[in-house]
This record gives sequence, structure tokens and C-alpha cells, in this order.
Amino acid sequence: EAGVAQSPRYKIIEKRQSVAFWCNPISGHATLYWYQQILGQGPKLLIQFQNNGVVDDSQLPKDRFSAERLKGVDSTLKIQPAKLEDSAVYLCASTRTGGNTGELFFGEGSRLTVL
Amino acid sequence: AQSVTQLDSQVPVFEEAPVELRCNYSSSVSVYLFWYVQYPNQGLQLLLKYLSGSTLVKGINGFEAEFNKSQTSFHLRKPSVHISDTAEYFCAVTPYSSASKIIFGSGTRLSIRP
Repeated sequence: EAGVAQSPRYKIIEKRQSVAFWCNPISGHATLYWYQQILGQGPKLLIQFQNNGVVDDSQLPKDRFSAERLKGVDSTLKIQPAKLEDSAVYLCASTRTGGNTGELFFGEGSRLTVL
Repeated sequence: AQSVTQLDSQVPVFEEAPVELRCNYSSSVSVYLFWYVQYPNQGLQLLLKYLSGSTLVKGINGFEAEFNKSQTSFHLRKPSVHISDTAEYFCAVTPYSSASKIIFGSGTRLSIRP
């Protein structure tokens, strides 16, 4: 079974530029998450999708971050314009159920450096 | 609201020595508990989870954790570590009532000395 795929693995941009990250979850997983992991901190949930609907985006900075999952499969996270404090690893995860007893399967992450 | 505290940001141990990584949580409701491991340049993967039942939970790679409700702790242990256990370990909680909002601690970096 293929794992969660993310791209690009690394991205360096200047502040005020835009960037987009892509995630393809494990086949059949209805729930998809985007987490932000700043160096030295644990992952912080940005947004959770159930199929193509948003379940929780309470911690997404909506003035600059946006995410979509149009067909209920892969997802894109965009940052525009980027700030220095957005430097982090962006992790995508998926799970078969929306339930909190399920195991999250993570991708390898997309490391963003904002200069 | 829930929170997770991992008291040790780094834990150095010698190979074949025992190790305990500490995790305390705060919650006004019942929670499920998890430990995830992140090897260098990889995503997180589940080590073990506590949902209900026996408070001693066994996971992969010889790790185990004990849920202590009175102390609100979920410490991770291994009796004898190997070089391959070098990684960052994250404790996580989610409330029963949530639609799976999992909250992670800040992580503990385990470094194994030969």
C-alpha cells in the first residue's frame, strides 16, 4: 500500500512570495490533515478535511493560508504572501475514519524556508 | 481545552540502557493517548495508543507506555535501547468527544550513545 505522498520536499522562497504544497493521501482514507511543525515544536493542526468538506480550520491563518480538497482525494495548501515565521515543515496526514481512535498516517513533509 | 507537556526536550542514553520519556497531559474530559516517533527526515508514525482497558500498552519496537489517570501521565519506556531508536518522540492526546483533533506535545529527542 502506497503511503501519503507530499511534494515538494523542500522549498526556499523570499518573504511575500507564494508557495503551494501538494498531498495525496492513502487510497480510501476519507480524512486528511495539514499540520505545521516549527523547529523544536510539535505538529500543530492547521486544517482537517472529511472527504472534501472542512471539519476544523480554527487554527489556519486565513488571511494568508488556504487549503482545498476539491475531489475528496488529494489536497493543496497555499501560503500567500509568506512571512518569515512560516518557515516550518508542513505535514500531511490521513486516516481511514474521522475518529480519534484511528491511526494517523503521515507523509514525509514539505520543508519551507522563508528568507 | 487539552494540552500535552513533554518535560524533557532531549534525553541522551547509552545503548542497551533503559529509557523513560515523560508525558503529562491536561484535560477536563476523558482522552485517548498516543505516542508517535519521527525518525530523521521522515514523517511521524504511531508507536502505540491507549484507548481503554489495560493501562499498560505495548507498542512496536519493544516500547511500552503506562496510562496513569490520577497523575495524568502517559510515560513511554523501553528496557534496552538500540542505536536505531534515535529519533524524536511525540506524545499526543485527543478528547473522546472530538472529531479527531489530535494535540501533540513539543517532542523529546532521544539520542543513543554507543
